[in-house]
Amino acid sequence: SQQGEEDPQALSIQEGENATMNCSYKTSINNLQWYRQNSGRGLVHLILIRSNEREKHSGRLRVTLDTSKKSSSLLITASRAADTASYFCATDGSEKLVFGKGTKLTVNP
Amino acid sequence: DTAVSQTPKYLVTQMGNDKSIKCEQNLGHDTMYWYKQDSKKFLKIMFSYNNKELIINETVPNRFSPKSPDKAHLNLHINSLELGDSAVYFCASSQDQGNSYNEQFFGPGTRLTVL
Repeated sequence: SQQGEEDPQALSIQEGENATMNCSYKTSINNLQWYRQNSGRGLVHLILIRSNEREKHSGRLRVTLDTSKKSSSLLITASRAADTASYFCATDGSEKLVFGKGTKLTVNP
Repeated sequence: DTAVSQTPKYLVTQMGNDKSIKCEQNLGHDTMYWYKQDSKKFLKIMFSYNNKELIINETVPNRFSPKSPDKAHLNLHINSLELGDSAVYFCASSQDQGNSYNEQFFGPGTRLTVL
């Protein structure tokens, strides 16, 4: 069964705005990861947050993790057209890495 | 200096044929994976190998047979292809430690179309 569920399924914003994507999961985890997939390409790892961490930053990315609510969010600040992609969360609570269905982000110039 | 490479990038074939997809990683990782991404972008793990040993086999039809000749290679052979096998297949690798799953590095994908 699927572990992570991203929300929203699709998000369209203007360049310069912030984009927030959420991920909910079902079982306990060791870590949660976020990946980006540009159209027609493979997934690229963005950030990994461990279960004992609450927040992590990487450049314009900010990830939060709330293990009590079994949820995580990915914030992209000052978005650019090049951020247009699908974003997936992946959790490792089921003895394997399980990916959600993804959020399709469109950043309009 | 590609980290994870797959061949071919595109594969168009008739129903009933047998085909193979090859994957190689030059990252020195111990673990390799095959994923299937369907038309709705849902990514599902198929197989996982650690040091040439099968670790995960996710209720995949036995028409799919992975083979790992060494820890840098994981090939996928598919027999008697069906229309429903049409998808994008991704190879990935990682250096995992026990129950902790680290960052995975993905190949560019192989788009399989079965006619």
